[in-house]
Amino acid sequence: AQSVTQPDIHITVSEGASLELRCNYSYGATPYLFWYVQSPGQGLQLLLKYFSGDTLVQGIKGFEAEFKRSQSSFNLRKPSVHWSDAAEYFCAVGQGYQKVTFGIGTKLQVIP
Amino acid sequence: SQTIHQWPATLVQPVGSPLSLECTVEGTSNPNLYWYRQAAGRGLQLLFYSVGIGQISSEVPQNLSASRPQDRQFILSSKKLLLSDSGFYLCAWSRPRTNQPQHFGDGTRLSIL
Repeated sequence: AQSVTQPDIHITVSEGASLELRCNYSYGATPYLFWYVQSPGQGLQLLLKYFSGDTLVQGIKGFEAEFKRSQSSFNLRKPSVHWSDAAEYFCAVGQGYQKVTFGIGTKLQVIP
Repeated sequence: SQTIHQWPATLVQPVGSPLSLECTVEGTSNPNLYWYRQAAGRGLQLLFYSVGIGQISSEVPQNLSASRPQDRQFILSSKKLLLSDSGFYLCAWSRPRTNQPQHFGDGTRLSIL
């Protein structure tokens, strides 16, 4: 069965600093990978997705992620964090045409 | 464009009472539909998913049930709520027969007293 690991439950960064959120997956076939963001009390918003092709994918809000098959990773990055980026971030892997497995999330705190 | 609606946004119910949460999708046909529960620190737990009218797959045994009476309507129900049913419930949809991402509603905060 597929699984997703987000090893950092909480991360604190200073505004303007760079950010990297880690995600490792376990899946037997070619993975379909996603990153979502959730603000408190809201649903999840898709940041970016990887299906195939270029392993560096660009998303909304200045985020990008890099797929590394050899490391089974799909880390999310942003070069300069804004206070509005404070939220919870979820990595997910698609299973076939129907189900997606989510990680437990990483809460990002941004300090001025 | 496609939109997804969930209601109510917040619900407070006593233990043992029934539950009905509704989710509707607009702007697409024959979507895959999903119900998730989110508990603090535990990520998203898939409860049910549906690939068509009347077709429901249950992922976790529990006292909840789901129904899909119409193509773009997905309902989460319970006959008797338990304290452990408290949580944040999210509905999502995705395009059928693809690996396209899921799109989420704004969620329902359910508190059981």
